[in-house]
Amino acid sequence: SAVISQKPSRDICQRGTSLTIQCQVDSQVTMMFWYRQQPGQSLTLIATANQGSEATYESGFVIDKFPISRPNLTFSTLTVSNMSPEDSSIYLCSVEVFSGRTNEQFFGPGTRLTVL
Amino acid sequence: AQTVTQSQPEMSVQEAETVTLSCTYDTSESDYYLFWYKQPPSRQMILVIRQEAYKQQNATENRFSVNFQKAAKSFSLKISDSQLGDAAMYFCAYRTRYGGSQGNLIFGKGTKLSVKP
Repeated sequence: SAVISQKPSRDICQRGTSLTIQCQVDSQVTMMFWYRQQPGQSLTLIATANQGSEATYESGFVIDKFPISRPNLTFSTLTVSNMSPEDSSIYLCSVEVFSGRTNEQFFGPGTRLTVL
Repeated sequence: AQTVTQSQPEMSVQEAETVTLSCTYDTSESDYYLFWYKQPPSRQMILVIRQEAYKQQNATENRFSVNFQKAAKSFSLKISDSQLGDAAMYFCAYRTRYGGSQGNLIFGKGTKLSVKP
């Protein structure tokens, strides 16, 4: 298994500012994922972050808006840039761990972002 | 592209009773994983149960079991002896068998389960 922490747990930000969310894992992992969960909605993948390479973004998400860093195998950051109220969501970090014959994903507690 | 559909936005069950949450999915792949995740108000996503598509036997974890119908692309979750702590959003999720960036989870819209005392 993996224990994941995220900082901050929540924040209220002003329009036009940026927020960086940190994700820390208690073990080394290759694959890290960033998801967005808009109010009352399901989770949507923003990007996949591998250590040592550029993040891979899903359709509808761009690096200028959501820059990601992955400096080592236990840490990643997601920045939400030039925020607008539409960015108000929960942002979740997830890691993939080998568990027996299969891979399993574990999630952080999420960061609740409110943009005014 | 794969899709996951949960047709029940909300469900309610009496404490100690049994409830079944529905999930259907669409894929052209023959080997994949299916999951049920629970998200209580604390927001923490918790893996409830996992099913590997190549296994015919339905997965079971204590009070939680699935009815996996591969041909029908159906993956329902049965919760027996429901407890107040089972109240949460339940998400059905699909994952291709292979790793890499395609290994991300594809989620349904979720079912909000209420448990009445």
